[in-house]
Amino acid sequence: EVQLVQSGGGLVQPGQSLRLSCAASGFSFGDYAMSWFRQAPGKGLEWVGFIRRKTYGGTAEYAASVKGRFTISRDDSKSVAYLQMSSLKTEDTAMYYCARDIAAGSTGDYWGQGTLVTVSS
Amino acid sequence: QSVLTQPPSVSAAPGQKVTISCSESNSNIGNNYVSWYQHLPGTAPKLLIYDNNKRPSGIPDRFSGSKSGTSATLGITGLQTGDEADYYCVRWDGSLSAVVFGGGTKLTVL
Repeated sequence: EVQLVQSGGGLVQPGQSLRLSCAASGFSFGDYAMSWFRQAPGKGLEWVGFIRRKTYGGTAEYAASVKGRFTISRDDSKSVAYLQMSSLKTEDTAMYYCARDIAAGSTGDYWGQGTLVTVSS
Repeated sequence: QSVLTQPPSVSAAPGQKVTISCSESNSNIGNNYVSWYQHLPGTAPKLLIYDNNKRPSGIPDRFSGSKSGTSATLGITGLQTGDEADYYCVRWDGSLSAVVFGGGTKLTVL
């Protein structure tokens, strides 16, 4: 059974950093891209970014709103994807989701349970 | 402002059919695959349609996707109260190297 279990959310102050984790099981992690999405309170879904699988270079792409502040990485040996968030802003407050992606960042077929990130002073 | 335009809301009675449109002013939607997600508040989004019209395993054939010209459409037949949710269209934008979302459509099953 495919499972994605997220961890690492919480309350942080503006300007601080936080790292989210997405632990995968039930599939060959290294064969898939991994994506991150978020939903701010009262807003629609928003794409955060994704990381390609190693055979496609293992590179990442980011939404303009987070580029330069967020970094997506992966550890295929541990079957974990990470979202490192720095210089957090109040507008980054959202529920964050990771997803296994079967295409170029837009096709998440299995999702994590979500983790809440609150940025507030 | 979303790149992809969806109606804010649609509604229909149980058992009826509804369609949700996703349009773009330029031809980009016609040149890229579109996916559709269902999102119930407090739960993880669910992939309903990918590559314009393909259903992942486990998605009933009540859900269908199509694309023509500068718009894509999600169709849902045999509406159930459990279908009440927000629906989003999504596509990859190669020129931006980014994923673009529609603003979402709230489906109400009356």
